Amino acid sequence: DIQMTQSPASLSASLGETVTIECRASEDIYNGLAWYQQKPGKSPQLLIYNANSLHTGVPSRFSGSGSGTQYSLKINSLQSEDVASYFCQQYYDYPYTFGAGTKLELK
Amino acid sequence: EVKLVESGGGLVQPGRSLKLSCAASGFNFNDYWMGWVRQAPGKGLEWIGEINKDSSTINYTPSLKDKFTISRDNAQNTLYLQMSKLGSEDTAIYYCARDHLGAVDYWGQGVMVTVSS
Repeated sequence: DIQMTQSPASLSASLGETVTIECRASEDIYNGLAWYQQKPGKSPQLLIYNANSLHTGVPSRFSGSGSGTQYSLKINSLQSEDVASYFCQQYYDYPYTFGAGTKLELK
Repeated sequence: EVKLVESGGGLVQPGRSLKLSCAASGFNFNDYWMGWVRQAPGKGLEWIGEINKDSSTINYTPSLKDKFTISRDNAQNTLYLQMSKLGSEDTAIYYCARDHLGAVDYWGQGVMVTVSS
């Protein structure tokens, strides 16, 4: 199985700040990567797919980048509604696997 | 509007079986791979598996392959997850998932399964 190592596990940031979350795959996943946002008590929501494609309706302050084994999610100008947990997922190879998640809080 | 509504969860005794359903609406169910993802309380997401459009291909995470069976009824726009030999480690919220190029573009609201005596 491909292991996804996500960092940091938790993050505290101020409103308006830029935040970056990273995911490292145990082997090349050829951009087969998605990012999800999950608010407490809610289902996850797709933000980014194919490493850098913004899902429909997702604000443009979210962006994804990376290649090979290293990927990142960037949130520009942090808003209060961005407080959530974030997960990466590889879908290059079965079984699909998720990172352990990053909990983003406001400072 | 795409809607995925899970049902069939609840409290079940260890070693017993349970079958979850996911009713899909708002899109052409026949055109999409569908799958299941679960999340233990306070934990991360775990991909269970997915099924292709005509049920000819089903992929599972290896550790669950002998316990869980995914199926679908395209005439009823419904996805299923048959779970057997349940243990406390299977206590989780189970999400129905629509596959979009491998990512999940729509999630159900989730259904809670609690395995306890």
